[in-house]
Formats: sequence, C-alpha cells, structure tokens
Amino acid sequence: GAVVSQHPSRVICKSGTSVKIECRSLDFQATTMFWYRQFPKQSLMLMATSNEGSKATYEQGVEKDKFLINHASLTLSTLTVTSAHPEDSSFYICSARGEPGQGAAVNTEAFFGQGTRLTVV
Amino acid sequence: GDSVTQMEGPVTLSEEAFLTINCTYTATGYPSLFWYVQYPGEGLQLLLKATKADDKGSNKGFEATYRKETTSFHLEKGSVQVSDSAVYFCALNTGGFKTIFGAGTRLFVKA
Repeated sequence: GAVVSQHPSRVICKSGTSVKIECRSLDFQATTMFWYRQFPKQSLMLMATSNEGSKATYEQGVEKDKFLINHASLTLSTLTVTSAHPEDSSFYICSARGEPGQGAAVNTEAFFGQGTRLTVV
Repeated sequence: GDSVTQMEGPVTLSEEAFLTINCTYTATGYPSLFWYVQYPGEGLQLLLKATKADDKGSNKGFEATYRKETTSFHLEKGSVQVSDSAVYFCALNTGGFKTIFGAGTRLFVKA
C-alpha cells in the first residue's frame, strides 16, 4: 500500500521557538495533504487541507499565521508551528491523497503518517 | 454535514470475549468507510475498509460490514486479545477528500 512518512516522530522545543514537521508520500504523488491535530484522549481534528502549489485551506478556528503549511512538491508538505507555546503541545498527524489514475486505492482513501508528538516546554 | 458517531468508551473486556463497537454515519454522497486503530503513543493504522454497500472489510480477526440501510459500520471481533487494547476510530471519506473521524473508542482487554 501507499506509504506516508512523517518526521520527526517526537520533538521537544522551548516556548517561543518554531518547529517544522515534514510529511512525505514515499511511493505516490500526493496532490492533496491534510494536517490533523489530536488532543489527549480525543479524536482527530482537521486543521487544514493543502494542495500542491497553492495556499492551504484552514478550518475554522485554526490560526494560519501560527500554523504555516507549505506543499511545494507532490511528495512533501510541511507544517511549521511558529512561536510555539505550551498549549500547542499535541499530536499532529498528516495524511495524503493521490492523483486519480495512480490506482483506485490511492484515489479513494487518504494514507496517514505516523504522527508527531510535539511538546513545548 | 457529514459526520460519524461511535459508541463511547472505554470498553473493558476479558481476553477471548466478543467485541462490538458501534458506528453510524451521516453522509450526503456514497462514502467509503474505515476503521483505524491507534496503539498507545503511535499514529493511526488502517484496520479495515469498505467502499460500497454490503462490502465486508476484514483484517486480523476484525470485521465490519457496510450497511447502507442502517448507515452503520459496526466493528466486531470474535475473540479479543490483550494486544488489541487500543483506541479505535470509525471514519468516512467521500470522494477521497478529507476524512471525518468519530470520537474514538478506547478498548481495554484484561488477561
């Protein structure tokens, strides 16, 4: 099946610094990538949807200046948490969807990365 | 809008017990349905899926049938193991766009 790799898996940073999380589709071209946030013992909440080469679409209530998303290529999207604060500590997960024609499975479902646990101290 | 409702947890079972986690959905189109599992401290893993009505997804002893008439996709396993302890998410996806998740159900299996 399609593989999505997310890096780093864990990161600890100081309050006020910025952290970049990478999401890569390893064996397919991801025209659309999604970023989710998961609070402890809660479900996944969609933060934003990004399409390659265009600006990300943010869900209501998500600060686009704080959570910068770049989808510069068909295999890479990045999420940068700027000026991180302890309340940004969370589990962040990306998923990727492929281009039609690459195979039915790639087109009809999104594949998830392993997640990144961010702790801001 | 589209939504997924799954039974609240936690669910606590003894080893070899029968498991059912209920999931119902609301969708305007014809969604694909999924069950994901999240083990402690890890990301999401696709457990099984079904893309059309009456399809049965199965994997690792788990199964779920896409019931259009009842808009349900209940997860079942005949005999759970301690290693099945995890959080299970029911989800839907229409047209391959964003995936909508249920709240998750935490399962504890006691030896």
